[in-house]
Amino acid sequence: SQKIEQNSEALNIQEGKTATLTCNYTNYSPAYLQWYRQDPGRGPVFLLLIRENEKEKRKERLKVTFDTTLKQSLFHITASQPADSATYLCALDKSGGSYIPTFGRGTSLIVHP
Amino acid sequence: DTGVSQNPRHKITKRGQNVTFRCDPISEHNRLYWYRQTLGQGPEFLTYFQNEAQLEKSRLLSDRFSAERPKGSFSTLEIQRTEQGDSAMYLCASSPAVPGYGYTFGSGTRLTVV
Repeated sequence: SQKIEQNSEALNIQEGKTATLTCNYTNYSPAYLQWYRQDPGRGPVFLLLIRENEKEKRKERLKVTFDTTLKQSLFHITASQPADSATYLCALDKSGGSYIPTFGRGTSLIVHP
Repeated sequence: DTGVSQNPRHKITKRGQNVTFRCDPISEHNRLYWYRQTLGQGPEFLTYFQNEAQLEKSRLLSDRFSAERPKGSFSTLEIQRTEQGDSAMYLCASSPAVPGYGYTFGSGTRLTVV
């Protein structure tokens, strides 16, 4: 069956360090992989999208890598700040036909001052 | 355009009652999606529309759930004969029809069935 796995344990890091979150998937051939931020009681907010033929994408302090051989994406936040504390979700879009984003359960990031 | 708007933000209802939620997407977006999210889980896909056509509805949780988008603009999600297990956050998202763009979510409607 298709699975998207994100670490269910919260990631605790110190302010200024780089946070790295992982998204693994099985039985998917995604055309796109996306990362979202979600704060408690709010809807997810789109951060970055990476295509299957791209290895890396950057936006300000954010970097996403996509390895279709390993079936894994890594999401990095450099110079992390307490304001980066949130849950981060990855989502996959299948290629061909309908594009219905399927989400992982998310990983909680806590940045300590 | 201020993004995706969902109403109400919160809804408390008694078991067995019907509820309806509304979603107003970004006006230029052809696609509209409904998701359900429970505590500690990611959003779970329910259904989606391209303009007024409902292209996928097999993942609606039961026949008590239905959605409409009559004129290809706003959408409604109705739950009939609510059950306590329906308590969740219901999220709406919109996107352009062309793939490869992120999805814009609303703030959600929090449903509590008592």
